[in-house]
Order: sequence, then C-alpha cells, then structure tokens
Amino acid sequence: TQLLEQSPQFLSIQEGENLTVYCNSSSVFSSLQWYRQEPGEGPVLLVTVVTGGEVKKLKRLTFQFGDARKDSSLHITAAQTGDTGLYLCAGRAGTASKLTFGTGTRLQVTL
Amino acid sequence: GAVVSQHPSWVICKSGTSVKIECRSLDFQATTMFWYRQFPKQSLMLMATSNEGSKATYEQGVEKDKFLINHASLTLSTLTVTSAHPEDSSFYICSASFQGRFYGYTFGSGTRLTVV
Repeated sequence: TQLLEQSPQFLSIQEGENLTVYCNSSSVFSSLQWYRQEPGEGPVLLVTVVTGGEVKKLKRLTFQFGDARKDSSLHITAAQTGDTGLYLCAGRAGTASKLTFGTGTRLQVTL
Repeated sequence: GAVVSQHPSWVICKSGTSVKIECRSLDFQATTMFWYRQFPKQSLMLMATSNEGSKATYEQGVEKDKFLINHASLTLSTLTVTSAHPEDSSFYICSASFQGRFYGYTFGSGTRLTVV
C-alpha cells in the first residue's frame, strides 16, 4: 500500500501570507495530482505532474514534483480567503488505475 | 468534458434499510470507476474499484457484502449500502478515470449518508 503523508495537517494563516504544503511517500508514483476540496463537495483537480523535478504554476500556486517522483510540494503565494479548503495530494503508481490520496492539509485563511 | 454526476447529494435512512447511490459519466464512457468514503475532516479512503462488466475489486477491510457495487454499463456505477447502520454514516464520493493528455480522474460531488 502506498502511503502519502501530508504536512502540515492543519494550517491557519492570515491573508497575504505564503505557505507550503508537503506530500511525502516512500513509493514512486508515475503521476501525482493536487486537489482542493470544499466542504460537502467532491475534490477539484488543481494540477497533474508526471516528470521528476517538474514545476508547474497556476496563478499564485506553484507545484513541484520531486526528482525521484516520491514527493511533491504546493506553495501558495499571498494567500487569499478563497484559498481556504482541504488540499489533497494523490498519486498513481505505475500503470495501476487507482489513485491513492494523501492524508490532507486543511488550510484556513483569515482576514 | 469528463463530467461525473452523483446522486443523491444527501440521504437520510433508517437503520437496517438499504441505500443506493448512483454515479454517472455524462459525456464519456467510464470503463473504470472508483468509490471513496470520507469521514469528517479526513482524507478520501478508496473503498473499491469498479470495472464495467466485471466484479468490483474491494480494498482491504471493506465488506463486499455490505457495500454492493454494480457497474453494468459504461456510464453507470452504483453503490448500495445494505442493512445500513449509524456507523455507515459518511460522505461517499465516486470517481471515474479517463485518458486525456494525462491519465486523469474526475469526481462526483459526493453523497452525504446519514443513518438514524
């Protein structure tokens, strides 16, 4: 079983601050995805990374896939209250079809 | 594209009854669908992988006789919680995989099940 540990589990910051969420595993993933989930809704895909060392930017969000494809990070610059939510990393191992989710990071951004 | 519709969005049922949750792919054929369970303030836990026309593959610890999964067509998978008990109360989410630029996944909006 591939385990994806996210840290921190919970983060409460003020608007305008920067933050980084980490997603770590001892397993290698062929691809890794980041999702954000609002209460009572399904996860919404933010990004997919597939190449070791890959960096992708989505406005104020920067995603990085580790060189060995075992870990990833999500950095948010100048957080806004609209960034509040549960952030989930999820990895796909090899050619397996199923997705393994990380433990989740709950972000709260206040004014 | 690649939209999944999940119904109902919430349901309340009495202990001992069964509840069916539907997951439909609206604009693509979903050979493989997945069912997840999520407890409050926790991540998604995969319950089973559902393949069209064959038996579902359940994750370790998931009771296959309690959580019946049917994937009879390429656009519909159903999860039936049989003889529901209060401990089955949870948020259930379905997902379907598809092949685009990357091998991707699209998620339903979830079903909040409350067993009283």
